[in-house]
Amino acid sequence: GAGVSQTPSNKVTEKGKYVELRCDPISGHTALYWYRQSLGQGPEFLIYFQGTGAADDSGLPNDRFFAVRPEGSVSTLKIQRTERGDSAMYLCASSLTPGHQETQYFGPGTRLLVL
Amino acid sequence: GNSVTQMEGPVTLSEEAFLTINCTYTATGYPSLFWYVQYPGEGLQLLLKATKADDKGSNKGFEATYRKETTSFHLEKGSVQVSDSAVYFCALSDLRAAGNKLTFGGGTRVLVKP
Repeated sequence: GAGVSQTPSNKVTEKGKYVELRCDPISGHTALYWYRQSLGQGPEFLIYFQGTGAADDSGLPNDRFFAVRPEGSVSTLKIQRTERGDSAMYLCASSLTPGHQETQYFGPGTRLLVL
Repeated sequence: GNSVTQMEGPVTLSEEAFLTINCTYTATGYPSLFWYVQYPGEGLQLLLKATKADDKGSNKGFEATYRKETTSFHLEKGSVQVSDSAVYFCALSDLRAAGNKLTFGGGTRVLVKP
């Protein structure tokens, strides 16, 4: 079946601009996660959705970052007033349930470059 | 807070060599432990996992045992192939956190030469 998909695969923007990154989870998966991976490092947690609500947004670095999942499926990560330090790979993952033993399935990521 | 430390790479091996990638963790409580792999040009994939102490996860010839006494989850494979060239990430999930957010190590790049 279809895996997690993310669009766009690459995004180049200028400092100060607004960007939206989209994630389509596996159908039926209730839990959705966003991570950020800088070059040469492991992914870092940003935010977790259970259904439509953000159950844990403790990883969002500041209030320029915001994410939504209005219908409990597709999620959008929104970054306002982008900065060069926001350049990274943004990964989305989903799991059938939020249980701590559950496998998370990752998408291919969106590579964001802020010039 | 939770953290995962894994050996830095790159690790360069010849085909059929034995591979070990060390991973140790710090966590409150008893986390579940995972190894994820990222092949060139592909997304992260789960390689194996263990959810309680002394459990052994295994897949594709790789093994890792959850050692609570040493807070470790070292990854091993007895005979690597060129196709095992990838970046390997050790990760944990916190039993006491909402959901299943993962804390990752920094990754270990493995290069297997023919």
